[in-house]
Amino acid sequence: QVHLVQSGAEVKKPGASVKVSCTASGYTFTDYSIHWVRQTPGQGLEWMGWIHPHSGGTNFAMKFLGRVSMTRDTSITTVYMVLSGLTSDDAAVYYCARELGGPTPAYWGQGTLVSVSS
Amino acid sequence: DIVMTQTPVSLSVTPGQPASISCKSSQGLVHRDGKTYLFWYLQKPGQSPQLLINEASNRFSGVPDRFSGSGSGTDFTLKISRVETEDVGVYYCMQSVEYPITFGQGTRLEIK
Repeated sequence: QVHLVQSGAEVKKPGASVKVSCTASGYTFTDYSIHWVRQTPGQGLEWMGWIHPHSGGTNFAMKFLGRVSMTRDTSITTVYMVLSGLTSDDAAVYYCARELGGPTPAYWGQGTLVSVSS
Repeated sequence: DIVMTQTPVSLSVTPGQPASISCKSSQGLVHRDGKTYLFWYLQKPGQSPQLLINEASNRFSGVPDRFSGSGSGTDFTLKISRVETEDVGVYYCMQSVEYPITFGQGTRLEIK
C-alpha cells in the first residue's frame, strides 16, 4: 500500500533554512505528484506546492515563491522540500502527500514538526 | 484565492446520532473537465489528515458508508448518518479546482 515516511523534527534559528524529506513506497514513484502542506495553529492547513517526480516539475503557492524549493531523488524514491528565510510564522507541522490521480493530496506522511526559535 | 468557509466551527454529537457539516466556496468548483474538485478530510487527534470524500460525493477507499458527501456549485455538505466514537476529530473541506489549493478552517467533532 502507499506509504510516505518523513524525516524527523527540526529546530531552526530565524533566518535559517530547513530541509524535509519524504520517502515513498508501495507504488511507482514517478507516476504521481507529491504535495507539501503545512499546518499551523494560526493558519490551519496551507498548501505549499507540488513536485512531479518524473519530470522534476514544480508548482508553488505564490505565498512561498522565492523561499521554497522541491527536488527529488528517484533512485531512493524520495522528495525534498527546502524552506528558507525561516521566521516564527514558519513554525508548523509539514506534511507531504501523494496525489490521488489528480491535483489532490490523498495519501499523507506522518508530518514533520519544524520549530523556529532563537 | 478561493475561500472555503465551514460551519459550524464545532459540534457535539451523541453516538448513533447524525451529524452534518457545511462548506461554502467563494467560487464554483466545477472544472472544465466536468468534475467537481471538492474534497473532505478527517484529522483524528495526533494523526495526519485522511481523505474521506473526493469529487464532492465519492467515498474514498475504505471509508465507511455512514459518511456521505453532497452538493454542487458553491455549497457542499458532509453527513455522518450515525456518529461513532472513532469519528472524533477535525473535518476539513478542500478545493483543488484551481491553484492555490485551499482548505476550510475546520470543524471539530466531539462526542457527547
